[in-house]
Amino acid sequence: DVKVTQSSRYLVKRTGEKVFLECVQDMDHENMFWYRQDPGLGLRLIYFSYDVKMKEKGDIPEGYSVSREKKERFSLILESASTNQTSMYLCASSYFYGYTFGSGTRLTVV
Amino acid sequence: QQPVQSPQAVILREGEDAVINCSSSKALYSVHWYRQKHGEAPVFLMILLKGGEQKGHDKISASFNEKKQQSSLYLTASQLSYSGTYFCASGGGNEKLTFGTGTRLTIIP
Repeated sequence: DVKVTQSSRYLVKRTGEKVFLECVQDMDHENMFWYRQDPGLGLRLIYFSYDVKMKEKGDIPEGYSVSREKKERFSLILESASTNQTSMYLCASSYFYGYTFGSGTRLTVV
Repeated sequence: QQPVQSPQAVILREGEDAVINCSSSKALYSVHWYRQKHGEAPVFLMILLKGGEQKGHDKISASFNEKKQQSSLYLTASQLSYSGTYFCASGGGNEKLTFGTGTRLTIIP
């Protein structure tokens, strides 16, 4: 089975900090995605990547950036964390059909 | 454009049937269905690609209408394990998905 691993299950950060969320997949998938999930809003796409060093903005990229230096790793960066970025962050990978999600990182910005 | 799901929430007794609808104002390339249990990641259930397609496994099935603007998920003889939030997601040709807002399904004994 494809496994998508997110480095932290829970994180608490201070406003203004630079935050790194890491995601690693072990099945050589080309496509990787970062979503945030908020009650009543479903999952919203932040950034995605189809290949190494390639990235595209999703629906809500403001305040975020990403890095994909290796095929298996896709990092989400909050340049200067703000309280409105408190959320559940989900990483996913795919190859043609169906996403496999990581278990999520619940980020709280205080 | 985010797909619209209905109902937002439903409570069923074990053994009852449920239908969850997902609709869009324009034709979709594909529709995916996922289930998320509380505190867990969403899990892929199935994908439909063709207008008029129906597919399923066990007692969970889905359909995609001819115009590819609406999909329905059918859960028959519901079990406690079916509880969770169900999401549809619309796919473009490039694998990027736009998720609906979800339908919370609660099964009670």
